[in-house]
This record gives sequence, C-alpha cells and structure tokens, in this order.
Amino acid sequence: KAGVTQTPRYLIKTRGQQVTLSCSPISGHRSVSWYQQTPGQGLQFLFEYFSETQRNKGNFPGRFSGRQFSNSRSEMNVSTLELGDSALYLCASSQGGVNYGYTFGSGTRLTVV
Amino acid sequence: GESVGLHLPTLSVQEGDNSIINCAYSNSASDYFIWYKQESGKGPQFIIDIRSNMDKRQGQRVTVLLNKTVKHLSLQIAATQPGDSAVYFCAEDLATTGNQFYFGTGTSLTVIP
Repeated sequence: KAGVTQTPRYLIKTRGQQVTLSCSPISGHRSVSWYQQTPGQGLQFLFEYFSETQRNKGNFPGRFSGRQFSNSRSEMNVSTLELGDSALYLCASSQGGVNYGYTFGSGTRLTVV
Repeated sequence: GESVGLHLPTLSVQEGDNSIINCAYSNSASDYFIWYKQESGKGPQFIIDIRSNMDKRQGQRVTVLLNKTVKHLSLQIAATQPGDSAVYFCAEDLATTGNQFYFGTGTSLTVIP
C-alpha cells in the first residue's frame, strides 16, 4: 500500500512569489491535513480537508490556503512568500473519523530566498 | 528578528536500557493523544495512541501512560535499540470534528551502543 506522497521534495522560491505543494493521500483516506515544521515553532497545524471541505483551520494568515479534490488529493498554496515561510511542509492523511491518527508524508522542504 | 530554535529536551540511554519520554499537554478537554517518532529527513511516524478513557496502552516494546489529573503523557520504550534514536513528539487532538493536532516541542532520544 503506497504511503502519503508529497511533491516536490525540495523547492526554492523568491520572496513575493507564490508556491503550490501537492499531496496524494493513502488510498481510501478521505482526510488530508497540512502542517508547517520549523526549528523555531515546531510542528504547527495549518488546515484539514475532508470530502473537499475545509474542516479545521489553524492560526495562519490568509496567504496560506488549500484545497482538496474529489479523489482526496490535496494542494496547499502560499502566496506572497516571506523569508519566514521557509519550512518543511508536511501532509498527513487519515480515514477521516474522529480520533484517528495520521500517516505523514516525507514533506516538502521550501526555502524562500 | 532573529529566529531562535526550540530547545529540545534530550535523553541519552544505553542500548538495551528502558527509555521514558515525558510530555505535558495543555487542554483538559483533549480526548485523544498520539506519540510520533521523527527521524532526520523524514515525516513523523505514528508509534502509539491512547484515548482519554484509558490510562495505559501497550504496543510492541512501547507503552503509553496517560495521567489526566496532571495532564501528563509518557512514552516508555523497552530494551531501547539504536534504531530508536530520533525525535519523539506527543500530540493532542484539539478538534471536536475531524483532527487538529497540537504537537509538543519534542524530545531528542540518542541511544548509545
């Protein structure tokens, strides 16, 4: 069974640009969540999507957005990139019910220069 | 401003000894908790979970203890092996619908051969 797949693995962008990251969940998983991991703030929740709807949202500015497609694949977008957006962005999928743990992907390492 | 990295608690143990990693959580209403292991360059890996109606749960070589009175979780690893060297995170689910995990800062475990 394939795991959670995130593309690309590494990305370098310039301040002010926008970026789109992609996540393919485990087959049959309907919930996809996104996290940002930095040395300064640790792992922080961005948002969760379930059946193409955002179900939970963390405390990030509106520059961070996401969406989920009918096949459960998800994308997150960051507009007007700032240096502080440099981080490892992790996607996790689960079956979608309450109290189910995630399976994480290996992440996309975004560097903003 | 300057980005200050999180100061990760560290734990060093001899191979074959037992390890105990502790975690304090924040929300007394949280009813689901997970321990994750993260190795360098990888996403967090699910180890074991526990629901708030339990105070102990055992897996293969791992045991999680939950003390709701003092909002404390611990992860015990029996017969620690070099492959257990990693950063360990506890996470509490803050969502009432779906999943929204709040991760602790993590503990870096080093196993000395």
